[in-house]
Amino acid sequence: AQKVTQAQTEISVVEKEDVTLDCVYETRDTTYYLFWYKQPPSGELVFLIRRNSFDEQNEISGRYSWNFQKSTSSFNFTITASQVVDSAVYFCALSELLFRAGSNSGYALNFGKGTSLLVTP
Amino acid sequence: GAVVSQHPSRVICKSGTSVKIECRSLDFQATTMFWYRQFPKQSLMLMATSNEGSKATYEQGVEKDKFLINHASLTLSTLTVTSAHPEDSSFYICSAGLARSGLYTDTQYFGPGTRLTVL
Repeated sequence: AQKVTQAQTEISVVEKEDVTLDCVYETRDTTYYLFWYKQPPSGELVFLIRRNSFDEQNEISGRYSWNFQKSTSSFNFTITASQVVDSAVYFCALSELLFRAGSNSGYALNFGKGTSLLVTP
Repeated sequence: GAVVSQHPSRVICKSGTSVKIECRSLDFQATTMFWYRQFPKQSLMLMATSNEGSKATYEQGVEKDKFLINHASLTLSTLTVTSAHPEDSSFYICSAGLARSGLYTDTQYFGPGTRLTVL
């Protein structure tokens, strides 16, 4: 069984504050991928990052950074100097490899419940 | 790159009618496409996985006869909600898998979603 837990349902910060979104996962697989997606009010999911289970290097992309720690099964996401445009629901997701008989299927995503981030001016 | 479109973006229909939603990968070929469903303020739930040219694989609890999936080409998958009822009202999102290496798709790119309202 796999499970993704995003314990923070809603977070509200003032612009320019730093904010960290937590994600804890459970899996028995040794090979897996972790993702973060952003869902603004328009509804479209925006891909932010993919990390495979063998790569524990932290990553920084502009104001975004991710901290992957296998020892604690966590993949946290930090936004520095938050902006109003960062307001959205953020989903952490874990992928499992699908082995379907006779087909090349790929990875299905198991999403956390999401964290709604509100950044106010 | 890796753009996925969905059509229509919004549909309102009467109870008992069927609704078809199209999902296209515009600039890449997708071996696998996925269909998700999202109720208001909830997470995405995988409904089914489809591979081009083969039958879709449905998740537990998803009715195959209710949600017909056709994956006719490497760039197009369709979801038909048959005999729709108000409880089928939801946000339906497709994704297309992009294979970066080897055999399996390991990153999904999502369409903009289709909001279905059944009256």
